[in-house]
Amino acid sequence: DTGVSQDPRHKITKRGQNVTFRCDPISEHNRLYWYRQTLGQGPEFLTYFQNEAQLEKSRLLSDRFSAERPKGSFSTLEIQRTEQGDSAMYLCASSLAAMNTEAFFGQGTRLTVV
Amino acid sequence: AQSVTQLDSHVSVSEGTPVLLRCNYSSSYSPSLFWYVQHPNKGLQLLLKYTSAATLVKGINGFEAEFKKSETSFHLTKPSAHMSDAAEYFCVVSDRDFNKFYFGSGTKLNVKP
Repeated sequence: DTGVSQDPRHKITKRGQNVTFRCDPISEHNRLYWYRQTLGQGPEFLTYFQNEAQLEKSRLLSDRFSAERPKGSFSTLEIQRTEQGDSAMYLCASSLAAMNTEAFFGQGTRLTVV
Repeated sequence: AQSVTQLDSHVSVSEGTPVLLRCNYSSSYSPSLFWYVQHPNKGLQLLLKYTSAATLVKGINGFEAEFKKSETSFHLTKPSAHMSDAAEYFCVVSDRDFNKFYFGSGTKLNVKP
């Protein structure tokens, strides 16, 4: 499989718990993005990495959210002390910076906070 | 700042009739624009992209879009809708360095038999 892979596909958690999502980008892609999509809305930018460096974070990414890409390959997105408002689809995408072109998206992780 | 506005949240067409999904953009420089499609429980798939080459862009599955700078529009069209086209469509503009992609709120396309 040469696409962007996200795990898990679905996560149900109780309010206040911590959750972590994983994204494996297309292997040669050096850029990795995280987006959040709520019902009836288009995806919103959260953060992006070039290799292992996190270069930009949206103000949507509160201090309860942290993203890492330790070796410039896979990435994790952790949400601490989840709230019901965190319920959304979390999308990961990757691209090749040198090509300055489109991002390729994974199927997403759907988070439900109960 | 860059932004896109999708003018219709829902569009309904009959199978075999033309499809028009409208998108207007705002950009402080010559933009790169994209259309993505999202089928239920599937990831976002790129339909087509405009990156300052030909203004009429052809994509997959018979879709095309025309970049009109004077109208700041990038409408998506298809001559004849198929049932499998039923999905949600997103118009997207990137920032200058492709660091961020700004999505419209989406248009849900319904195709009636």
